[in-house]
Amino acid sequence: AQKVTQAQTEISVVEKEDVTLDCVYETRDTTYYLFWYKQPPSGELVFLIRRNSFDEQNEISGRYSWNFQKSTSSFNFTITASQVVDSAVYFCALSEAPGGGADGLTFGKGTHLIIQP
Amino acid sequence: EPEVTQTPSHQVTQMGQEVILRCVPISNHLYFYWYRQILGQKVEFLVSFYNNEISEKSEIFDDQFSVERPDGSNFTLKIRSTKLEDSAMYFCASSEALGTSGRDNEQFFGPGTRLTVL
Repeated sequence: AQKVTQAQTEISVVEKEDVTLDCVYETRDTTYYLFWYKQPPSGELVFLIRRNSFDEQNEISGRYSWNFQKSTSSFNFTITASQVVDSAVYFCALSEAPGGGADGLTFGKGTHLIIQP
Repeated sequence: EPEVTQTPSHQVTQMGQEVILRCVPISNHLYFYWYRQILGQKVEFLVSFYNNEISEKSEIFDDQFSVERPDGSNFTLKIRSTKLEDSAMYFCASSEALGTSGRDNEQFFGPGTRLTVL
C-alpha cells in the first residue's frame, strides 16, 4: 500500500523567508511518481510538479525548488523568498503511473502554509 | 488550454436525497477519477474509470456511490441516499493514458463541487 506523510500540519513564516515543506512516502512499486499540488483558499487543486522515481535530479522553477531523495523516501518542497500569495495548503501525492494509475493519487494530509506580511 | 469542468460548483441537499455530480473531462482523455476532500482533510481517491467500467475503487466507494459515462463527454458521480458525512468537496480528474510519461500525461483536476448535506 502507498502512503504519504506530511508531518507539518501548519507552518507560519514572515514574508521573504525561505520555507521547506516536508514529504515522506512509502511504496512497494519500483517505478512511481511524486507530485506537489497547491490548494489556495478558493479550493481548486493547482498542479506544481511531477517527478519520476528514476530521475533524482532536483528541480528549480523560479522561487520553487524540489529535493527528491530516494534513499530517505523524501520529496521536499522549498519556497525561496516567500510571498503572501504563497499562502495555501500544499499537498504531496504519489502514484504508480504518471497519469495517476488505476489507483489514482495517494495524497498526504497537506501542510497549511501561512505567509505573514 | 484544455480543462476539466465540474457542475454545479456548490450543491446543497437534504439527507437521504440523491445527488448527481457532473464532470466533463478533457476530450481526448481516457481515464477518469473521482476524489473526495472532507473539509480540512486530505484528498482521498474514490474511484477510477476506464473503457466504460470501474478500474479501481476505494473502500469509501460503497454501494451508495456509482459512476457513469452516459455519453461521450460527461462523467457523473451519483450518491444514492446522501448522509451528513458525505458533505465534502468532490474533485473529478482525467488523464490521457496510464503508461506513457509524456508531459501531457498528467492528471488534470477539475475545480471541484462542494456538496453540503443538511
